[in-house]
Amino acid sequence: GENVEQHPSTLSVQEGDSAVIKCTYSDSASNYFPWYKQELGKGPQLIIDIRSNVGEKKDQRIAVTLNKTAKHFSLHITETQPEDSAVYFCAASLGTNAGKSTFGDGTTLTVKP
Amino acid sequence: NAGVTQTPKFQVLKTGQSMTLQCAQDMNHNSMYWYRQDPGMGLRLIYYSASEGTTDKGEVPNGYNVSRLNKREFSLRLESAAPSQTSVYFCASSKGGGTRNQPQHFGDGTRLSIL
Repeated sequence: GENVEQHPSTLSVQEGDSAVIKCTYSDSASNYFPWYKQELGKGPQLIIDIRSNVGEKKDQRIAVTLNKTAKHFSLHITETQPEDSAVYFCAASLGTNAGKSTFGDGTTLTVKP
Repeated sequence: NAGVTQTPKFQVLKTGQSMTLQCAQDMNHNSMYWYRQDPGMGLRLIYYSASEGTTDKGEVPNGYNVSRLNKREFSLRLESAAPSQTSVYFCASSKGGGTRNQPQHFGDGTRLSIL
C-alpha cells in the first residue's frame, strides 16, 4: 500500500521566518495531496490541497508544491506567526471510491515570538 | 452547521470492558472513517465506510468493530478493551464517490484511556 514519509518531525522558527515541511510518497498512482493543521485538543483541519495535474498552489501565506517525478510534495509557510504553531500532517490519496488517505507522521511547528 | 460530532469526548475504561464511540456528520457525505492517533505515529486508519451499508478494514482493525447505521452515523465498538487501545480516536467524513478525492472533515476526537 501507499507509504508517506514526512520530515522534519519538529520544526522551530522565529516569527516572520519561513517554514518548509516535506513529504514523500511511494505509490505513483496517488493523485490528491492534502495538508492538515491540528491545534491542541482539536481534530485536523484542511489548510491546502493539490491535485496531481498541478505543480504549485498558493493561498495567502501558504503554498504547496508537487514533484510527481520525484514523488514528493512540500508545504511552505511564509511570514510565520505564533498562531501557526500546531502539528501539520501531509497525506496522499489514490483516486478510489472510498476517498482514503495515507497520512504522514506529522510535524510539530513552533513559531517563537 | 456542526460538521462531524463525536461522543463522548473523554472516557476511562477498565481492561475487558466494552464501549461504543459515536460519530455523526451533517454534511451529507458518503464516506466516513475512524482513525486512532498515538504520539509520534500520525493517524492510522482503523475502518472506513465508502457508503451507507458498506464497511472495510483499514490499517489497524484488530480489536474493533464498526457499524454504518445510516448515511449520517458511523460507530466504533471496542468489544474487550485492552491497554494498547489507549489512544485518541478521530472520526472523519468526506464526499467520496468517483475518482476525484475530496478533503476529509474531522471531529475533535475521543480521548480514551484503558486501565
